[in-house]
Amino acid sequence: DTAVSQTPKYLVTQMGNDKSIKCEQNLGHDTMYWYKQDSKKFLKIMFSYNNKELIINETVPNRFSPKSPDKAHLNLHINSLELGDSAVYFCASSQDPIFGTYEQYFGPGTRLTVT
Amino acid sequence: GEDVEQSLFLSVREGDSSVINCTYTDSSSTYLYWYKQEPGAGLQLLTYIFSNMDMKQDQRLTVLLNKKDKHLSLRIADTQTGDSAIYFCAETSSGYSTLTFGKGTMLLVSP
Repeated sequence: DTAVSQTPKYLVTQMGNDKSIKCEQNLGHDTMYWYKQDSKKFLKIMFSYNNKELIINETVPNRFSPKSPDKAHLNLHINSLELGDSAVYFCASSQDPIFGTYEQYFGPGTRLTVT
Repeated sequence: GEDVEQSLFLSVREGDSSVINCTYTDSSSTYLYWYKQEPGAGLQLLTYIFSNMDMKQDQRLTVLLNKKDKHLSLRIADTQTGDSAIYFCAETSSGYSTLTFGKGTMLLVSP
């Protein structure tokens, strides 16, 4: 059973298009995240959701809009894609940090290429 | 803001020990982690250490934490070619659950 899954694994699209990446976790976790890994492998947090509510938004352009229909899903919608959006996007999940543990489990990543 | 630094590259021979080092600046770091990323794959949580611990051992992995110097290391004993990957050091601070990552250390294990 896959703990954190993402679809699609690869996404190639043209500048200006709108696309979505989906993420699902079956770990019963309360908190989900999106991270971006650039071409130099640098990983940076984009968003964090706890029980479907946005708790962290790290200076991400408002073309990126996360949506959490329930606490097992956190989707990422990107409008007006730009070349600089090309990266690998990782979804992750963890228990609520109030339990004192911050182990985050990552999905396999979605490689987005904007041409 | 928080900063996590790692050396970018390490090359060892199969059977040797590997030591990957990491330094961090945030004195309120609560947990420190090591993640492994194989080519084209996601991040695998290897181990983590709470900030009030000095050492944690898990099979071939030993994590050492020097909180005074804000230095974390990962030792892999009897390194195998399958250990070749990028290793990321990461930290979280009390009250925040997001991870701050280092830039990753590429470990290359030669036969």
